Amino acid sequence: EVQLEESGGGLVQPGGSLRLSCAASGFTFSSHWMYWVRQAPGKGLVWVSRISSDGSNTNYADSVKGRFTISRDNAKNTLFLQMNGLRAEDTAVYYCARGCVAAACVSLLWGQGTLVTVSS
Amino acid sequence: QSVLTQPPSVSASPGQRVTISCSGSSSNIGSIYVSWYQQFPGTAPKLLIYDNSKRYSGIPDRFSGSKSGTSATLDITGLQTGDEADYYCGSWDTSLSAAVFGGGTKLTVL
Repeated sequence: EVQLEESGGGLVQPGGSLRLSCAASGFTFSSHWMYWVRQAPGKGLVWVSRISSDGSNTNYADSVKGRFTISRDNAKNTLFLQMNGLRAEDTAVYYCARGCVAAACVSLLWGQGTLVTVSS
Repeated sequence: QSVLTQPPSVSASPGQRVTISCSGSSSNIGSIYVSWYQQFPGTAPKLLIYDNSKRYSGIPDRFSGSKSGTSATLDITGLQTGDEADYYCGSWDTSLSAAVFGGGTKLTVL
């Protein structure tokens, strides 16, 4: 069974930083693209970033480009999202999700999410 | 404004059938597989359909997906009150190099 467990969320002031982690189990982590998707309170799903199975390719939403960095440690089956320069509009539940083995494929299995609140 | 367009809400009675549409373009649905997700309030989304029409493990056959051109559809038959949830479609956009989702459709089972 695929299991994804996010951690690292919390309350942070505008301009601050947070590092989210996602511990994966139940599948061959090093074979899959991995995603971060966020959902602001009462809003829909918004893609944030993704990383290839070996970590060599990354993509970012324009809204986070230059501020967020996705990375992974395949030896530890863990996905990360380093978030710098946080803004109020980054407030959301952040979900880690398992993607496909193929690149142009969005069929996601989701973690339970971690809440990030950006407020003074 | 979402790249994929879904109706904000649909409703039907128990036992009936409902269809949720998802409209995109040639750079996403028109050339890439579509997936569908179900989300109950306060919980994470759950994969229902992948590769346009394949049901994920454990999903009942009351749920089915299809795609034609730049649009996709989720059909739910034999509606149950427990199907009340938000439903999202998703795909990859080759022009944007981004995953894209619909704005979500709230299903009400009256």
